[in-house]
Parts: sequence; C-alpha cells; structure tokens
Amino acid sequence: ETGVTQTPRHLVMGMTNKKSLKCEQHLGHNAMYWYKQSAKKPLELMFVYSLEERVENNSVPSRFSPECPNSSHLFLHLHTLQPEDSALYLCASSQGTGLAVSYEQYFGPGTRLTVT
Amino acid sequence: LAKTTQPISMDSYEGQEVNITCSHNNIATNDYITWYQQFPSQGPRFIIQGYKTKVTNEVASLFIPADRKSSTLSLPRVSLSDTAVYYCLVGSSNTGKLIFGQGTTLQVKP
Repeated sequence: ETGVTQTPRHLVMGMTNKKSLKCEQHLGHNAMYWYKQSAKKPLELMFVYSLEERVENNSVPSRFSPECPNSSHLFLHLHTLQPEDSALYLCASSQGTGLAVSYEQYFGPGTRLTVT
Repeated sequence: LAKTTQPISMDSYEGQEVNITCSHNNIATNDYITWYQQFPSQGPRFIIQGYKTKVTNEVASLFIPADRKSSTLSLPRVSLSDTAVYYCLVGSSNTGKLIFGQGTTLQVKP
C-alpha cells in the first residue's frame, strides 16, 4: 500500500454519462496529481494541485474537470467523454509545494476507465 | 522540456546486473531525473532520483554523466520479482513539467 487510494478501481461509462473519480492520500502531502496512462503511451500529466490550488493544467479537454477540496482529496469529474479517453487514470501525491517536482511521488493503483 | 527515450524491452536472468539507459538530450539546467517501477494493475513506484553524478540507495543506482544527456538505472542482482516496466522521468523544478519515457519492460528469467 502506498498511502494513496483511488475509487472506483474500474469504471465503464457511456459517452453521455457524468461520473467522478476519487483519490485520497493518507500521507500528509501537499501536492496531488492526475495522470492518464493509455496503452503503449507514456504517462501524461493532466493536473497538479499544490495546497489545494491548481498549479498545472496540461491542455486537458474541458470534459475533464478536477476538484481539490482539501489537501487529502482529489476528484476528477468526467462528462461527455469519448472512446479515446479510455485509459488508466492515476492519482499521485508528493511533499513539497508549487512545482517541486524533485519530490518523489506516491501513486495510487489507478482507475481503469472504459468509455463505450 | 527534454524528450526521453528508452529501450522498449530488455531481458535478463536472475542474479545479473541490469542497466537501463534513458536518453534526454535536451535536458535543462533545472531538470531532475527520476526512475519509477510499475507492476501490472498498480501505479508506478519511485525507485531513485538524481541530478548529476551517481546516486545509490538500497535498491538501485543511478548514473548521470557530466553532460546529463542520458542516465542509467542500475539494478544489482535482479530477481524474478523485478520483472516490471521501468520509466524514466525528466521533471522541471522551474515549470513543473513532467515528461515520462515510454517505459522499458524488463523480463527477468530464471
């Protein structure tokens, strides 16, 4: 266990559905991240939150909407997704603030999303 | 930000030392190099991080030459449980950009 949990572990949704992914970290970290991992592609950083403020948004389509209500919880709200959005969505956390990428990141197990 | 390139796959045998090299020709002054390990159905796990020269911890060593255009992850005496995908990551402490490599699938054979 890494101290980062994600729910649900698997999700199947239609293109017109609205769903949310949840991430929780029990490590007392200040930064949290969302990544997308598609088959045969590198991990893609989607969003970074530091002290509950978004500090990075890598040109992610607006159908993905993050929310960070506190430093322990991170959500990814999904709506009107496309089949190409099917992937493993990983959450991570780290110490440090801002864009302190020198700190090691702790990843959750991911949510396997399938868009039909 | 530096693009990273690493071999798609490697094979090894138990007890051998494995070296996985990552190329990052355009690495910038403030970029760090980090390696992660990922097993199926799990998120990546931090192995080691460095900026220059050599870093060693209880599981691996990281060698970074003076020009920092490449880095080599060294796993001593691998076992079957080291079979996994290994990712090289270059991250900027200035901009927060993180670039993962494609990953190297290491298969350790008995």
